[in-house]
Amino acid sequence: GENVEQHPSTLSVQEGDSAVIKCTYSDSASNYFPWYKQELGKGPQLIIDIRSNVGEKKDQRIAVTLNKTAKHFSLHITETQPEDSAVYFCAASADSNYQLIWGAGTKLIIKP
Amino acid sequence: DGGITQSPKYLFRKEGQNVTLSCEQNLNHDAMYWYRQDPGQGLRLIYYSQIVNDFQKGDIAEGYSVSREKKESFPLTVTSAQKNPTAFYLCASSIQADGPNTEAFFGQGTRLTVV
Repeated sequence: GENVEQHPSTLSVQEGDSAVIKCTYSDSASNYFPWYKQELGKGPQLIIDIRSNVGEKKDQRIAVTLNKTAKHFSLHITETQPEDSAVYFCAASADSNYQLIWGAGTKLIIKP
Repeated sequence: DGGITQSPKYLFRKEGQNVTLSCEQNLNHDAMYWYRQDPGQGLRLIYYSQIVNDFQKGDIAEGYSVSREKKESFPLTVTSAQKNPTAFYLCASSIQADGPNTEAFFGQGTRLTVV
């Protein structure tokens, strides 16, 4: 079955710097790759997603890139701010299987 | 205000008791999911339902049961057979079960503690 690995488990960056979180997946049939942000004591919220027919998607300070050949995708956050501190999860799924397979999460810490 | 509502936010259970966690959505979504989250870990799927009166086991279904009698509701029962039930439980829904995958909307979670 599908397996999603996420790195790093913890990432600490200076406010204003960029943060990059990487995920790899095993199932070549996967075609949907969302990223979720989870604040303490709350449910995850979608921040950006990408489908396999595009290589990059950007929304203000957040971007996601996808390399289908290498089976990995990454979340990029530029000009980080204190409110970016949270746990970020990547996930992958295929149309043949409506379940999302989740990475283990990355705790992002923004240092003032 | 559309959304997905979980209750209660905090729940305490004595050993040997069954407890039921509520999940209601008014988004008209077909698919609903229950996840378990342990500290510092990702989400693990307990059960999911793609349509009313139908549901499937996820990766860690043992000790749990669900029902889907109405489109809006997907309650989860944590039974006494679940040996380590203390965790954060998340309910989610997505727009349709048949077609391209889309965003999953999450509730605010229920923190269950065994006392």
